[in-house]
Amino acid sequence: QKEVEQNSGPLSVPEGAIASLNCTYSDRGSQSFFWYRQYSGKSPELIMSIYSNGDKEDGRFTAQLNTASQYVSLLIRDSQPSDSATYLCAVNRGNQFYFGTGTSLTVIP
Amino acid sequence: NAGVMQNPRHLVRRRGQEARLRCSPMKGHSHVYWYRQLPEEGLKFMVYLQKENIIDESGMPKERFSAEFPKEGPSILRIQQVVRGDSAAYFCASSPGQDPRYFGPGTRLTVL
Repeated sequence: QKEVEQNSGPLSVPEGAIASLNCTYSDRGSQSFFWYRQYSGKSPELIMSIYSNGDKEDGRFTAQLNTASQYVSLLIRDSQPSDSATYLCAVNRGNQFYFGTGTSLTVIP
Repeated sequence: NAGVMQNPRHLVRRRGQEARLRCSPMKGHSHVYWYRQLPEEGLKFMVYLQKENIIDESGMPKERFSAEFPKEGPSILRIQQVVRGDSAAYFCASSPGQDPRYFGPGTRLTVL
């Protein structure tokens, strides 16, 4: 079983819509959770981190953590074409950071 | 993430040669992580270092691979006797604390 699972997509949403990205993790000992955005051919860029159950909002982004169900999600409100990228979920346990394979998002103008 | 420097950006080696990848963390960051990324795959953890210390190298193959982060200078990921399967993008990330916060632009290694 993979440490972190993401639906690879592709996920397509129209401009202005809400994009919902989901991630599940296997180990209940995971301590903190991260979302990265990676444009094609570029390096990952940290966009959100969340450390406790519930929601965390930052601009158009909201991270949601549910430790009971072992999932973390990222909502992107008012999606823009510039949001088109691969979104990587990562979880931390001790010194280890485990990344999912990413979900490809396309925002259609 | 523009502050994390990696060089070279592209590296071509023939089988059996050595590859040396360098990572200069952001100023003030003492934590460095190395990851490998294959096409259509996620980032695979290789090694976590602090200045002069290897904290966790559990993701790094036991043979041919080594990493260091000296007191002065960049962190180095060294791959000896490269094979075609080593072809990948290698990213380093730096942080002031314990999470890979800022990634460098990566080194794309091609083994012929």
